Amino acid sequence: SQTIHQWPATLVQPVGSPLSLECTVEGTSNPNLYWYRQAAGRGLQLLFYSVGIGQISSEVPQNLSASRPQDRQFILSSKKLLLSDSGFYLCAWSGSIQVNQPQHFGDGTRLSIL
Amino acid sequence: AQSVTQPDIHITVSEGASLELRCNYSYGATPYLFWYVQSPGQGLQLLLKYFSGDTLVQGIKGFEAEFKRSQSSFNLRKPSVHWSDAAEYFCAVVPFSGGYNKLIFGAGTRLAVHP
Repeated sequence: SQTIHQWPATLVQPVGSPLSLECTVEGTSNPNLYWYRQAAGRGLQLLFYSVGIGQISSEVPQNLSASRPQDRQFILSSKKLLLSDSGFYLCAWSGSIQVNQPQHFGDGTRLSIL
Repeated sequence: AQSVTQPDIHITVSEGASLELRCNYSYGATPYLFWYVQSPGQGLQLLLKYFSGDTLVQGIKGFEAEFKRSQSSFNLRKPSVHWSDAAEYFCAVVPFSGGYNKLIFGAGTRLAVHP
C-alpha cells in the first residue's frame, strides 16, 4: 500500500534561518506531489505541485521554493525564513494527472518562526 | 475565480445527534467535490468524493454527502455523531478544467462533540 512521510513533525526556527522540509512517498511510482500551507483558522493553500522529477509549478509568489530531486521525494525550502512563513505544512500525493483522483496527505509539519 | 465556502466556522453537537456541515462552491460547471477530515495535529483524510451520477454519495465512518446542483452545494451529513468525530472538516473542489488536480479548499468547519 502507498504511504507518505513528512519530517520533521515540528520545527522551531529563527527569522532569517534556512528551511528544508522533506516528503517521501512509498508504494507508487510517478506520483503527482503537492505542498500546502495551512494558516491558523484558514483553509489550505496550494503552494507547489509537481508532475515529475525536476518539474515544479508555483501557485503563489512567496519566500519558499520546492524541488523534486527523485521521483518520490519532494522538498520545501527557504533561504531566509520570515515570520509570515509560520504555519502547518502538508505534503500530498495523487496517483494520476487526472483531475478526479483524490489527494492523500501526510501528517504535516508544524513550523514556528521566532 | 472558483471558490469554496463553508459558512460555519464552529459547530457543536451532542453525541448521538445528527450532523450537517454546509459547503457551497462557486463555479460555472459541476466540479469534482471532496470532503476531508483533519484530526488535531494530523494530515487530512478523504471522507468521500463526488464526480458524477448519483447525487447522494456514501463515505467512510458513516458519513454521506448530497450534491445539489441548483444550490451549488455539497453538504456533509451523519445521522448519529460519535465523540471520535470531533475534528475539522474541509470541503474541496477540483474545477473541471482539464488541467491538473488542484484542490481548492474551504476554510473548514471545526466540530466539537459534547458527551
